[in-house]
Amino acid sequence: DIQMTQSPSSLSASVGDRVTITCRASQSISSYLNWYQQKPGKAPKLLIYAASSLQSGVPSRFSGSGSGTDFTLTISSLQPEDFATYYCQQSYSTPPTFGPGTKVDIK
Amino acid sequence: EVQLVESGGGLVQPGRSLRLSCAASGFTFDDYAMHWVRQAPGKGLEWVSGISWNSGSIGYADSVKGRFTISRDNAKNSLYLQMNSLRAEDTALYYCAKDRSPHIDWYFDLWGRGTLVTVSS
Repeated sequence: DIQMTQSPSSLSASVGDRVTITCRASQSISSYLNWYQQKPGKAPKLLIYAASSLQSGVPSRFSGSGSGTDFTLTISSLQPEDFATYYCQQSYSTPPTFGPGTKVDIK
Repeated sequence: EVQLVESGGGLVQPGRSLRLSCAASGFTFDDYAMHWVRQAPGKGLEWVSGISWNSGSIGYADSVKGRFTISRDNAKNSLYLQMNSLRAEDTALYYCAKDRSPHIDWYFDLWGRGTLVTVSS
């Protein structure tokens, strides 16, 4: 199975901050990398697919980049509704696997 | 409204069975592959199983292979997960999730709110 890691595991930030989360795959996954946002008590929501494509309806302050084994999710200006846990997930091969998550909370 | 609604969770003893259902609405169900993804309490996400639009392609996580069976009824816009020989480690919130295409691509672009399965004596 492809192992996914994320860093940091948690971070504290203020509204308006630029936030960057990193995801790394244990082998090359080309651009088969998706990002999800999960708020407490809610289902995950797809934000970015294929490493850099913005899912319909997702604000443009979210962006993704990377290919191969190293990927980044960036929130350009953190908003109050962005405090959540973020997961990366590879869709390159079965089984699809998720990273352990990065919790973004209020500083 | 586009939505997925899971049902069928509950408290069950180890070794027993449970059947989960997912009702889809607001989109053409048989145009998309579907999946089950679970989340143990306080933990991360784990893909459980997926099924293509016509049930022609099915996949399982190793942790459930041979014990769980995924199926769908396109006439009823419904997805199912038959869970047998349940173990304590199957305790989780089970989400139904829609894929972006008819085939299993593992892009989960719509999720239900989940149904909780607790395996305990």
